Amino acid sequence: TQLLEQSPQFLSIQEGENLTVYCNSSSVFSSLQWYRQEPGEGPVLLVTVVTGGEVKKLKRLTFQFGDARKDSSLHITAAQPGDTGLYLCAGNNDMRFGAGTRLTVKP
Amino acid sequence: GAVVSQHPSWVICKSGTSVKIECRSLDFQATTMFWYRQFPKQSLMLMATSNEGSKATYEQGVEKDKFLINHASLTLSTLTVTSAHPEDSSFYICSAGPKDIQYFGAGTRLSVL
Repeated sequence: TQLLEQSPQFLSIQEGENLTVYCNSSSVFSSLQWYRQEPGEGPVLLVTVVTGGEVKKLKRLTFQFGDARKDSSLHITAAQPGDTGLYLCAGNNDMRFGAGTRLTVKP
Repeated sequence: GAVVSQHPSWVICKSGTSVKIECRSLDFQATTMFWYRQFPKQSLMLMATSNEGSKATYEQGVEKDKFLINHASLTLSTLTVTSAHPEDSSFYICSAGPKDIQYFGAGTRLSVL
């Protein structure tokens, strides 16, 4: 079982601020996925990273996969209230999620 | 559009009754589907892996006789909560996907009175 630790678990910021959330493990992943879940809905896939050191950008979201493929980060620039949600990471085909980061962006 | 459909989205039932939740893959065949439950303000907890044509694999601590899973076709898995009790009230979510990508259903909110 690949245990994923996410930090911080809770984050509340003002609109316009930048933030970074982390997904760490002692295991090596061949791929890692980031999801965002809004209240009352299922998670939505944001990105899949597969190469060590890979950086992917999705508008204001920047995802990085660690060189050793054991960790990943998600950086949001100029956060907006619409970014509010639960951010989850999962590795490979092991569909056990970390505790997630619950982000609140205040207007 | 949604590639995984979950039904119903919301159900209320009396204690002691059984509730069936369906999960369908719309654009692809899924030999494996996953079932989760989620309590308020918590992450998703994997309950079981549904395998087409064979028995589901349950996570430790999940009662297989309580949560019956049937995966009779390549596009449909069902989760039946048997003899539901108030403590079974939760948000249940399924996922399925081709290869390394998982798509999630919109979830089913179960309230047991």
